Amino acid sequence: KQEVTQIPAALSVPEGENLVLNCSFTDSAIYNLQWFRQDPGKGLTSLLLIQSSQREQTSGRLNASLDKSSGRSTLYIAASQPGDSATYLCAVKGKETSGSRLTFGEGTQLTVNP
Amino acid sequence: GAGVSQSPSNKVTEKGKDVELRCDPISGHTALYWYRQSLGQGLEFLIYFQGNSAPDKSGLPSDRFSAERTGGSVSTLTIQRTQQEDSAVYLCASSSRTGPNQPQHFGDGTRLSIL
Repeated sequence: KQEVTQIPAALSVPEGENLVLNCSFTDSAIYNLQWFRQDPGKGLTSLLLIQSSQREQTSGRLNASLDKSSGRSTLYIAASQPGDSATYLCAVKGKETSGSRLTFGEGTQLTVNP
Repeated sequence: GAGVSQSPSNKVTEKGKDVELRCDPISGHTALYWYRQSLGQGLEFLIYFQGNSAPDKSGLPSDRFSAERTGGSVSTLTIQRTQQEDSAVYLCASSSRTGPNQPQHFGDGTRLSIL
């Protein structure tokens, strides 16, 4: 059974810092890995999707990497801003089940202080 | 709006009552998913629809939970004889079709509280 772990559970940084969020998964048989952002009381907003054949994806100040063989992904946020404060979730789409369900980590709660 | 719409946004009910949660996916999206997000459990898959059929309902926690989808569009998740452990945020997502690299688009969820 696929398990996804995110470290750290919470992170507080001053504005302007570069930071890294970590995600690990136990079964490397995946189609892709996706990073989401969740604001309080809201649903999930997709940030980046990395296919299993890819090593990284970039969008603005965000860069996500994937090392499928070691079961790891990182989300790099450059020059953090208070508006980046949210919970960040990673999810993998595994090959072990049909229907393309996502298996989620428990998230990293990020606070960027002005 | 063009996003996934869920209603109600909040629901408070007494233990033992039945509840219905509604999801209206993005127009034209054939795949629909229900997830549950609860404290200490993270986000868990419940059920997946392709069109009106549910090829994967393995995440439903008990036979008190059921879901249907009609017209390939709106879906309803029903919880019968609610228990306090059913309290959670229920999230719905849709994608344009199944396949490994179709992104899922999420609604804002229904926050369910069982008294």
